[in-house]
Amino acid sequence: DSGVTQTPKHLITATGQRVTLRCSPRSGDLSVYWYQQSLDQGLQFLIQYYNGEERAKGNILERFSAQQFPDLHSELNLSSLELGDSALYFCASSAKAGWTYEQYFGPGTRLTVT
Amino acid sequence: GDSVTQMEGPVTLSEEAFLTINCTYTATGYPSLFWYVQYPGEGLQLLLKATKADDKGSNKGFEATYRKETTSFHLEKGSVQVSDSAVYFCALISPPNNNAGNMLTFGGGTRLMVKP
Repeated sequence: DSGVTQTPKHLITATGQRVTLRCSPRSGDLSVYWYQQSLDQGLQFLIQYYNGEERAKGNILERFSAQQFPDLHSELNLSSLELGDSALYFCASSAKAGWTYEQYFGPGTRLTVT
Repeated sequence: GDSVTQMEGPVTLSEEAFLTINCTYTATGYPSLFWYVQYPGEGLQLLLKATKADDKGSNKGFEATYRKETTSFHLEKGSVQVSDSAVYFCALISPPNNNAGNMLTFGGGTRLMVKP
């Protein structure tokens, strides 16, 4: 158990809908990351927050947004969902924002868009 | 940009065989290097890491050495077990540049299957 929690574990929804994925980082970790794992794209970085502020953006679609709250939990919002958004979405956290800090991953949320 | 290349799988071995999974990278500067493992139906677990040249990361019998001259970080284990069957990901984080984040760049993953 990494200490990172994600809810829900599974999510099935229809095209055009909007969903929210939630992540609680390890106790004391200030940085949160979101990654997408799909069969065709592999593991891709979406976005990073550090202590409530956006730190970096990766291959995140405009239909997707995220935020980190004062209690440091984070939410990833996916809207106007398409079939191609079906994937595993992972949240990770690290103590601080630096390239030597390990990132610890949550169990993921499996999103299925029908 | 940064990239990580791993040997394609699946790699199928018998129990107690020697394991090598090749990983090479392209990055600016001297990145930190990581191996993550994903067991079926689970998230990614950090297996080991190395943050500078010639560092050796090790954990649970797995080892990998940061080779700057060959830009490689190959994963090895002397004697694999059935329980090691999983997908292994090599990854890197580049040093910060212009306040860029410290995101992981992953290789494509290598599936290991160990038979009794």
